[in-house]
Amino acid sequence: EAGVTQFPSHSVIEKGQTVTLRCDPISGHDNLYWYRRVMGKEIKFLLHFVKESKQDESGMPNNRFLAERTGGTYSTLKVQPAELEDSGVYFCASSQGRASSSGANVLTFGAGSRLTVL
Amino acid sequence: GQSLEQPSEVTAVEGAIVQINCTYQTSGFYGLSWYQQHDGGAPTFLSYNALDGLEETGRFSSFLSRSDSYGYLLLQELQMKDSASYFCAVSRSGGYQKVTFGTGTKLQVIP
Repeated sequence: EAGVTQFPSHSVIEKGQTVTLRCDPISGHDNLYWYRRVMGKEIKFLLHFVKESKQDESGMPNNRFLAERTGGTYSTLKVQPAELEDSGVYFCASSQGRASSSGANVLTFGAGSRLTVL
Repeated sequence: GQSLEQPSEVTAVEGAIVQINCTYQTSGFYGLSWYQQHDGGAPTFLSYNALDGLEETGRFSSFLSRSDSYGYLLLQELQMKDSASYFCAVSRSGGYQKVTFGTGTKLQVIP
């Protein structure tokens, strides 16, 4: 099966510009997560979709970040306007099923989108 | 709130055994997972514990004590390719789960 695909792999933009990151999860995976890793630090939770609904967006830093998941398939994460501190690697991960299923606990990650804000 | 703590760095010799500890504080705890991430790569799933005890997968084993809010990852017969960052992650209950990661432990395997 195809894995989790993220695009672009690397984006360099100037402060104040807009960037949209895309994630295509594994087909059939209800759970989709966005995480960010900055400067080799923790993998910080941003938000969690279940199908097309936002289950938990408590990790979104501010209203400059907007995530959507169209029809419960692919997801986009838009940063507008971008600030210097938004630089980092944005990972998307997906898993299947509800909490009671073993599959829900196995996250498959994409290769990440490296964002550099100058 | 919730928190996970791991040592930031560990160095071990090729062929040896190393244990990476993880302590956590969270409400609605469901299970503890471990992920490996090589520099520049994506995190990859290693193991998952929902019940107390030891889970073994080849050279890697993972342990959980729910009463102590503690777990560890045990790597045996270390190889140079095991040099990577290792993250513990907690799954919280409530229908569909939220998975939160710790700060990661950078393991360096030396000859």
